[in-house]
Amino acid sequence: DSGVTQTPKHLITATGQRVTLRCSPRSGDLSVYWYQQSLDQGLQFLIQYYNGEERAKGNILERFSAQQFPDLHSELNLSSLELGDSALYFCASSIDIAGGRYNEQFFGPGTRLTVL
Amino acid sequence: AQSVTQLDSHVSVSEGTPVLLRCNYSSSYSPSLFWYVQHPNKGLQLLLKYTSAATLVKGINGFEAEFKKSETSFHLTKPSAHMSDAAEYFCVVSDRDSGYALNFGKGTSLLVTP
Repeated sequence: DSGVTQTPKHLITATGQRVTLRCSPRSGDLSVYWYQQSLDQGLQFLIQYYNGEERAKGNILERFSAQQFPDLHSELNLSSLELGDSALYFCASSIDIAGGRYNEQFFGPGTRLTVL
Repeated sequence: AQSVTQLDSHVSVSEGTPVLLRCNYSSSYSPSLFWYVQHPNKGLQLLLKYTSAATLVKGINGFEAEFKKSETSFHLTKPSAHMSDAAEYFCVVSDRDSGYALNFGKGTSLLVTP
């Protein structure tokens, strides 16, 4: 158990809908990262938040957004869903001392999103 | 810019024989390198990490990896495979270009046969 929790575990929805994925980082970790794992794209970094502020952006679509709240939990919002958004979405957290270079990331169990 | 290439998408070994999973990377800066493992229907677990200290890095479950700057490689090895090692393995690079977010390779699926 990494200490990172994600809810829900599974989510089934229809095209055009909007969903919210939730992540609670390990106690004491200030950084939250979101990743998408799909068969065709592999594991891709989406976005990072550090202590409530957006720090880095990866291959995140404009239909997707995220935020980190004062209690450090984070939510990933996916809107106007398409079939191709079906994937496993991971959240990871790290303590992020010294700008992140030496900090390993601890991954949650993931949320499996199925868009029908 | 940074990237990582895992040279084999599938590797099959017999139980008790050595494991070698190959990884090459490119990075504009001094990178941090990691190997993560993902068992079926499970999350990602860190096996080991290199962050510019010793070039030979020991990880969990008997795995180790050697950072070779001249060859831009970070291959993962284990002297003797166990059935429980069957999983997907990801080589990962991060540097300040990406804000230290992880850049994953495509993965190598390790099959261990009795």
